[in-house]
Amino acid sequence: EAQVTQNPRYLITVTGKKLTVTCSQNMNHEYMSWYRQDPGLGLRQIYYSMNVEVTDKGDVPEGYKVSRKEKRNFPLILESPSPNQTSLYFCASSERDSPVQIVQFFGPGTRLTVL
Amino acid sequence: SQKIEQNSEALNIQEGKTATLTCNYTNYSPAYLQWYRQDPGRGPVFLLLIRENEKEKRKERLKVTFDTTLKQSLFHITASQPADSATYLCALPPPGGSYIPTFGRGTSLIVHP
Repeated sequence: EAQVTQNPRYLITVTGKKLTVTCSQNMNHEYMSWYRQDPGLGLRQIYYSMNVEVTDKGDVPEGYKVSRKEKRNFPLILESPSPNQTSLYFCASSERDSPVQIVQFFGPGTRLTVL
Repeated sequence: SQKIEQNSEALNIQEGKTATLTCNYTNYSPAYLQWYRQDPGRGPVFLLLIRENEKEKRKERLKVTFDTTLKQSLFHITASQPADSATYLCALPPPGGSYIPTFGRGTSLIVHP
């Protein structure tokens, strides 16, 4: 089954304790991205990757790191989480059926609480 | 910078009626516009894409229009059902650089039986 998977789905942690949220897709998509979703603010892009070893900042990259060592995986790293990073996180991958048309496939989400 | 506006107030309608949601954008002329559906606590799901040279697109009970002069897209669900209750997001490609879409905040649709 074609899908984007994220782990963990739920995580409660404490301030400053490094964590990684994994994301994997089995659709051989080139593009992958991370979003956070907060009430009243909608989906905001954190980082995106247009290919292996190619990553770039989205709208809200502060406090996050990513890596793209393999095409299928795009982990999100919080080196020193803070309470303002409490949010619902989505990973997405994209197929590119033309130079300009990108359809996003989203993972199930990771609900992160930083105490 | 690009701005995407969707009505933040929930839209409440009766079952069987047509729901119409609006997406307005500024400072940009996108090559396409997309609509997604999101259920609570779940990831958005792609519904429809309409290109700048298309006025209207249909898929079953869904219809999307794209007015590049008004910088507006309308999303219609005909013969709405309670199962259509969800948040609907529009998305546009950002100007320049990444092709990955950016999203509006979404409008919640509630269909009452």
